[in-house]
Amino acid sequence: DTGVSQDPRHKITKRGQNVTFRCDPISEHNRLYWYRQTLGQGPEFLTYFQNEAQLEKSRLLSDRFSAERPKGSFSTLEIQRTEQGDSAMYLCASTPPGDTQYFGPGTRLTVL
Amino acid sequence: GENVEQHPSTLSVQEGDSAVIKCTYSDSASNYFPWYKQELGKRPQLIIDIRSNVGEKKDQRIAVTLNKTAKHFSLHITETQPEDSAVYFCAAIDDNDMRFGAGTRLTVKP
Repeated sequence: DTGVSQDPRHKITKRGQNVTFRCDPISEHNRLYWYRQTLGQGPEFLTYFQNEAQLEKSRLLSDRFSAERPKGSFSTLEIQRTEQGDSAMYLCASTPPGDTQYFGPGTRLTVL
Repeated sequence: GENVEQHPSTLSVQEGDSAVIKCTYSDSASNYFPWYKQELGKRPQLIIDIRSNVGEKKDQRIAVTLNKTAKHFSLHITETQPEDSAVYFCAAIDDNDMRFGAGTRLTVKP
């Protein structure tokens, strides 16, 4: 499979724990996006990288959330001190410049 | 920043009828407008897109129209089939940002 991959696909955690998700984009895509999607809603933008540079962060992204893309390839999204409101599907997408975004399968987070 | 409004939120049609979903956007710099179909529990999949220098694009039963002056674009599905049932999202992109509409849940009744 040469598409965008995400790991894990599902994560169940207790409130207050930290979680980290990984996204591997399509190899020639220099842009990588993270979105959060709750049931019945469209994907909500969280942050975006061009190569290793994080160019934009949503105001919705609290200081408990951090994302990295250290070598301009894979990216990680970490949520510290998880809350029940963090339960959602976390989607990663990659794109070449000016083109559409190709989504990964998502990581479904459940915070108990 | 960009704001994308999508209507209706739910749409139910009889098999064989047409379905139309409409979106408006606020940022005149947006120049690319994809539509995604998302089935329950799956990732959004691109079904059709249109760029700002094009007014209409068709792909078999699916078409998209764009009115840049009015800042709205629409998805048209003709001869709907039960397998068209899904949530459809529009999006608007400038050079950097992509913003999604809230989605339309389409149900095609056999």
